[in-house]
Amino acid sequence: DAKTTQPNSMESNEEEPVHLPCNHSTISGTDYIHWYRQLPSQGPEYVIHGLTSNVNNRMASLAIAEDRKSSTLILHRATLRDAAVYYCILRDVRYGNKLVFGAGTILRVKS
Amino acid sequence: DTEVTQTPKHLVMGMTNKKSLKCEQHMGHRAMYWYKQKAKKPPELMFVYSYEKLSINESVPSRFSPECPNSSLLNLHLHALQPEDSALYLCASSHVGRQLNTEAFFGQGTRLTVV
Repeated sequence: DAKTTQPNSMESNEEEPVHLPCNHSTISGTDYIHWYRQLPSQGPEYVIHGLTSNVNNRMASLAIAEDRKSSTLILHRATLRDAAVYYCILRDVRYGNKLVFGAGTILRVKS
Repeated sequence: DTEVTQTPKHLVMGMTNKKSLKCEQHMGHRAMYWYKQKAKKPPELMFVYSYEKLSINESVPSRFSPECPNSSLLNLHLHALQPEDSALYLCASSHVGRQLNTEAFFGQGTRLTVV
């Protein structure tokens, strides 16, 4: 499984944008970049995924570097409810059903 | 309905007991997963079923026995567990493989305590 590297923790102020980085220098051409988050006492929740182009949805934006060796999850206006562990995961479509979590980034949001 | 339902929410069992965890989804997903999560750690993949067949076993000890009786149900049978098996057990489901929308939906988990 290709490996991802994320900061252990980050802190943000409420109502400000948050940029969560992820490095994946060994990414292969068949790896999709997925982001999940896990709020306290809940199961993980899908946030967004992409392959090469930047992606937007109602929760967040995903910016993917041109060489695909890194990506950034962008929360446009952090709220207290966004405090969670954010996981960046590479998902190889050849093994589409394998979803392996790394250590993740703990995001703390201050009011 | 985008829900994955896990029962029970909490389970306490002795090391000689046999128990089962249950997971159900009605989203038409044909991939279902079991994960184990210890406190302050990421979920660890245990098993994956595709089209009701076991496709991935991440070298899980045989005291954990998965079963997928139909496309909506996933069970995890537990026997002769150890206290270190105490954890949150998470179930998830998704469409299979190459479909564009392969997000996985997770249940809230079963908190298992082995005494």
